[in-house]
Amino acid sequence: NAGVTQTPKFQVLKTGQSMTLQCAQDMNHEYMSWYRQDPGMGLRLIHYSVGAGITDQGEVPNGYNVSRSTTEDFPLRLLSAAPSQTSVYFCASRKSTGELFFGEGSRLTVL
Amino acid sequence: DAKTTQPNSMESNEEEPVHLPCNHSTISGTDYIHWYRQLPSQGPEYVIHGLTSNVNNRMASLAIAEDRKSSTLILHRATLRDAAVYYCILRAQGAGTALIFGKGTTLSVSS
Repeated sequence: NAGVTQTPKFQVLKTGQSMTLQCAQDMNHEYMSWYRQDPGMGLRLIHYSVGAGITDQGEVPNGYNVSRSTTEDFPLRLLSAAPSQTSVYFCASRKSTGELFFGEGSRLTVL
Repeated sequence: DAKTTQPNSMESNEEEPVHLPCNHSTISGTDYIHWYRQLPSQGPEYVIHGLTSNVNNRMASLAIAEDRKSSTLILHRATLRDAAVYYCILRAQGAGTALIFGKGTTLSVSS
């Protein structure tokens, strides 16, 4: 089983560039979410979605956009990258019984 | 959102049981108690969750206090692979509720 797949695993951007982090899951989970994790800190929720066509903001949504056109995919867009967005990004989907399944992470550096 | 309090760090020896505490004095009657762990350079991994009764699975046991204001994750025999950050999280019932992570407890395991 592929589970939750994130691409790319590593990315370097210059300030002001835009990019999309991809997240796909093959478990038919309705709920998906994006977190960021900075060094020495816990995970902070950016955006989440309870199903196709429905998204909502988490704790730190500024500077990020999401959309959910299909159950499988939940891309995270950085509109104009800033050094403060240097982080490790994790996508997760949730089983109906509540357990979250995480991807391996995408490490983003903004210069 | 109801919050949790965990010790910053704990130490254990290999082959010994580990009891990881979590206080959640403002828990509501419908909040589930979830535990995740994060090994170095990996995404978080689901460990266990429960509502009122103690729970067991192949990874760990969850002991929930009768008043639900605290819980304990029990690793029955620690191994070196159990060295990780352990997060105790409350999740309200409902499809739209998100998991908000704190800083967790860093568990060190010595051989």
